[in-house]
Amino acid sequence: AQSVTQLGSHVSVSEGALVLLRCNYSSSVPPYLFWYVQYPNQGLQLLLKYTTGATLVKGINGFEAEFKKSETSFHLTKPSAHMSDAAEYFCAVSEGAGANSKLTFGKGITLSVRP
Amino acid sequence: DAGITQSPRHKVTETGTPVTLRCHQTENHRYMYWYRQDPGHGLRLIHYSYGVKDTDKGEVSDGYSVSRSKTEDFLLTLESATSSQTSVYFCAISDPVISPLHFGNGTRLTVT
Repeated sequence: AQSVTQLGSHVSVSEGALVLLRCNYSSSVPPYLFWYVQYPNQGLQLLLKYTTGATLVKGINGFEAEFKKSETSFHLTKPSAHMSDAAEYFCAVSEGAGANSKLTFGKGITLSVRP
Repeated sequence: DAGITQSPRHKVTETGTPVTLRCHQTENHRYMYWYRQDPGHGLRLIHYSYGVKDTDKGEVSDGYSVSRSKTEDFLLTLESATSSQTSVYFCAISDPVISPLHFGNGTRLTVT
């Protein structure tokens, strides 16, 4: 069965500092991987996704993630944090894209950005 | 919001009462999902639908039922609400099946 592990529940960085949010996955087949962001009182929005092809994926708002099969990881990074990045971030995995494929989400990480 | 409306946005109900949450989409997407979000648990799939009258269970389906009589509407029913069902409920849609999910803004349900 597929699963996602997001270590820690809260990350705090200073404005302008590197953002690194970790995600490790488990999947019995080549995975499809996603990062979503949730701002207060809103639904989740897609930041980026990996399906096949290039392992470095660029998303919105300057975020990117790299698929590393050997490490079963899909960590999210941003070179310079902005105050508006403060939100909750979810990593998700799906085993393929068939009719029975469903997303499994991690528990989420809250990102705080200090002035 | 990709044309997804959840109603109501907030609801307080008593233990033992039935509750129905509605998800309405204007995107004509085939796949619809109900998730619940709880602190420390992330999002967990309750039920999903892959077409009109075609539904299936997710990982936390006990105590919930769903119906989809039209492409645009997906209803989630709590037959007899319990305090453990206090949560934020999100509807999501996608088409094709594993294209990114688009989420509604959620329904905050409190069972007293």
